[in-house]
Amino acid sequence: ETGVTQSPTHLIKTRGQQVTLRCSSQSGHNTVSWYQQALGQGPQFIFQYYREEENGRGNFPPRFSGLQFPNYSSELNVNALELDDSALYLCASSKTQETQYFGPGTRLLVL
Amino acid sequence: AQKITQTQPGMFVQEKEAVTLDCTYDTSDPSYGLFWYKQPSSGEMIFLIYQGSYDQQNATEGRYSLNFQKARKSANLVISASQLGDSAMYFCAMREGSVSNYGGSQGNLIFGKGTKLSVKP
Repeated sequence: ETGVTQSPTHLIKTRGQQVTLRCSSQSGHNTVSWYQQALGQGPQFIFQYYREEENGRGNFPPRFSGLQFPNYSSELNVNALELDDSALYLCASSKTQETQYFGPGTRLLVL
Repeated sequence: AQKITQTQPGMFVQEKEAVTLDCTYDTSDPSYGLFWYKQPSSGEMIFLIYQGSYDQQNATEGRYSLNFQKARKSANLVISASQLGDSAMYFCAMREGSVSNYGGSQGNLIFGKGTKLSVKP
């Protein structure tokens, strides 16, 4: 059984740029959630996708957007990057309402 | 008000001893789940243990057990026989029960700020 994978592992961008992060969910999982973890903090929920539709959203502005594909993989897009967007971005997959399993994360640095 | 509170920023434990990591939660939803995750320095969140709000018995998974006291709204993690590899950040998280318009469930996790556990040889 393949676990959750994320790409890239590390990324450096400059303020104002756009970034796309990718996540492949664990086999058999139909729900993908994205979290932002700032240094020294717990993860904060960004949004969740279920059956290719956004299924809930945390307190993040619209410049954070996402997609889920028919194979349940997902993308997180962030436009107009700000310095405070520097964080570890974690993707988690699950079967509906069951335990979420996380990927290794993407470390984003915005300069 | 914080929904998940972890009051211990850091904890030290001697190898082979047991350690308890504290977690209190706040919710008015009768249906919820409580989770503990381990995060090594590599960054990946590793699922350890789950307790449902209606579960009658405390959850156990190998060396991990969850001391669930519903009336006190606490869900402490107990690690028995600590090992050097247990050194990591530990996060308590809660998922409140709700159903979205799509029929799926809004199962987003709310995390605490974490406890850094250091195991001494």
